[in-house]
Amino acid sequence: EAGVAQSPRYKIIEKRQSVAFWCNPISGHATLYWYQQILGQGPKLLIQFQNNGVVDDSQLPKDRFSAERLKGVDSTLKIQPAKLEDSAVYLCASSLGWGGSPLHFGNGTRLTVT
Amino acid sequence: AQSVTQLDSQVPVFEEAPVELRCNYSSSVSVYLFWYVQYPNQGLQLLLKYLSGSTLVKGINGFEAEFNKSQTSFHLRKPSVHISDTAEYFCAVSSNTGNQFYFGTGTSLTVIP
Repeated sequence: EAGVAQSPRYKIIEKRQSVAFWCNPISGHATLYWYQQILGQGPKLLIQFQNNGVVDDSQLPKDRFSAERLKGVDSTLKIQPAKLEDSAVYLCASSLGWGGSPLHFGNGTRLTVT
Repeated sequence: AQSVTQLDSQVPVFEEAPVELRCNYSSSVSVYLFWYVQYPNQGLQLLLKYLSGSTLVKGINGFEAEFNKSQTSFHLRKPSVHISDTAEYFCAVSSNTGNQFYFGTGTSLTVIP
């Protein structure tokens, strides 16, 4: 099966600019996650979708981050305006959604904010 | 809520030696446990998972882990490591009620020739 697709792989922007990341999950996976991974740390959940509804966005900085899942399939994560501390790898993952089903990760987008 | 503690941030080990990466979790409900590996510039890849049943689970690349409910641990082991095992390893826990995953801070395994 095709894996989780993410684009772009790398992005460099200046602070206060905006940026968007795209994710296409594995076909049939109901649950989609966006994680932020700062260098040297574990992934931190930003938002979790079940189909096209939000399950958990408690750690999403809503003043600057937004995310949507179009028709319960693809998803985009946007940052506007970006800050230096947003430099990180943004990982998209998907799962079947039932208890115990593992996450399948994309290769991530490495964002550098200068 | 659940949380995961990986006790060792860095583990150097000589090639062909055994290794154990430690993971402890806390949760007030039943959980599922996972180990993921991350190679440079890649996403996380599932190594193994514990859902129920036998407490010793085997995964890919010769890794295995043992679930210990009384000690709330899920340590990862390999009897003989290779250079190619050099990577970052993450322990994760999810509950049986919401499929939300919580990750540890990771252990960097470096295999020395």
